[in-house]
Amino acid sequence: EIVMTQSPATVSVSPGERATLSCRVSQSVGSNLAWYQQKPGQAPRLLIFDASTRATGVPARFSGSGSGTEFTLTISSLQSEDFAVYYCQQYNNWPMYIFGQGTKVEIK
Amino acid sequence: QVQLQESGPGLVKPSRTLSLTCTVSGGSITSGEFYWSWIRQPPGKGLEWIGYISYTGSTHYNPSLKSRVVISEDTSKNQFSLNLSSVTAADTGVYYCARQSVTLIVGYWGQGALVTVSS
Repeated sequence: EIVMTQSPATVSVSPGERATLSCRVSQSVGSNLAWYQQKPGQAPRLLIFDASTRATGVPARFSGSGSGTEFTLTISSLQSEDFAVYYCQQYNNWPMYIFGQGTKVEIK
Repeated sequence: QVQLQESGPGLVKPSRTLSLTCTVSGGSITSGEFYWSWIRQPPGKGLEWIGYISYTGSTHYNPSLKSRVVISEDTSKNQFSLNLSSVTAADTGVYYCARQSVTLIVGYWGQGALVTVSS
């Protein structure tokens, strides 16, 4: 069974600083990985797909990288609206419906 | 712009069936190669995919829930529905309907419906 591991569980960052989130997959998924952002009380929102392609309307401060089993979401200069929980999802191997457990980005 | 809206009871008694409906606007559930899904989130926890009904009407369910889940569609109303039977407190959470692409990327989400299982 494919396993997705996000780290850290929580990261504390000051506004204006960079945040780096990791997603590790137990087997190669190529570039078939997406990132979602979820703010309290809201539905998740697609940020990145195909590992590095920003979805429509996503600010350029969000970038994704990686391939195979190691992926990174970087927020270059955190804004107040970026404090949220971020989930990764692979869509290369069945079962293609598994999400990571999430990383919470909180204000330092 | 596709929009999805969940509706249904917010409180369900244990052992009963949870029933939710998703109304889709801005696009037909039978056009395009999309998958119409249900995803849930227990309080304070992560996302769990429940299942989908495809643009062809075929269904696929999370194996951990398969014995209790039925997803169906009403194309005349542009709606799809979730029935989850024999619920327990562990089924409490926010239930989202969503549209997934052919690659199962979740591009559109409903706002979510909180369902509490309690007597």
